[in-house]
Amino acid sequence: SAVISQKPSRDICQRGTSLTIQCQVDSQVTMMFWYRQQPGQSLTLIATANQGSEATYESGFVIDKFPISRPNLTFSTLTVSNMSPEDSSIYLCSVPAGGADTQYFGPGTRLTVL
Amino acid sequence: EDQVTQSPEALRLQEGESSSLNCSYTVSGLRGLFWYRQDPGKGPEFLFTLYSAGEEKEKERLKATLTKKESFLHITAPKPEDSATYLCAVQVSAGGTSYGKLTFGQGTILTVHP
Repeated sequence: SAVISQKPSRDICQRGTSLTIQCQVDSQVTMMFWYRQQPGQSLTLIATANQGSEATYESGFVIDKFPISRPNLTFSTLTVSNMSPEDSSIYLCSVPAGGADTQYFGPGTRLTVL
Repeated sequence: EDQVTQSPEALRLQEGESSSLNCSYTVSGLRGLFWYRQDPGKGPEFLFTLYSAGEEKEKERLKATLTKKESFLHITAPKPEDSATYLCAVQVSAGGTSYGKLTFGQGTILTVHP
């Protein structure tokens, strides 16, 4: 299994500001995924972050709003830019293991935008 | 478009009352179907991955089964600690940037009363 940590665990931010969320994995992984879970909703993939290449964004998500860095095989950051109350969600990173037969999730970052 | 539908949305059981949760899916090519448990304020916890119709996997009081159109999560003699949201997700057998992506259902909120 993979042990994943995220920072911060929660934050309350003002409208118009940006927040960077960190994801640290205890082993080297090629692919990392960032998901969003809006209140009362299920998980939606934001983007796939591969080390050494640009992140790939899903429909409805753009790099200017959610820039991602992937400086090495154990770490990634997701920035939520120019936040609005609609960005209030739980943001989760995920990594595949066992040849993508399993995907493990971090504990999540609970973001509230006022 | 890949779709995953879970039912019921919420399920209340008495301790010891066995039941099943349903996950129906429509995908272009299924690589794997995943079941997760999510407790409030936490990231999803991996339970099972199923790959082909007829496959079954068990873990304690949980058994997951898979057909060509749906999956069931059977809960035998549940206990209050089984209370959680159960999520299913599909992974398609596409290469390139779609590889590893999970598409989630809305989840079933299970409450087990003592």
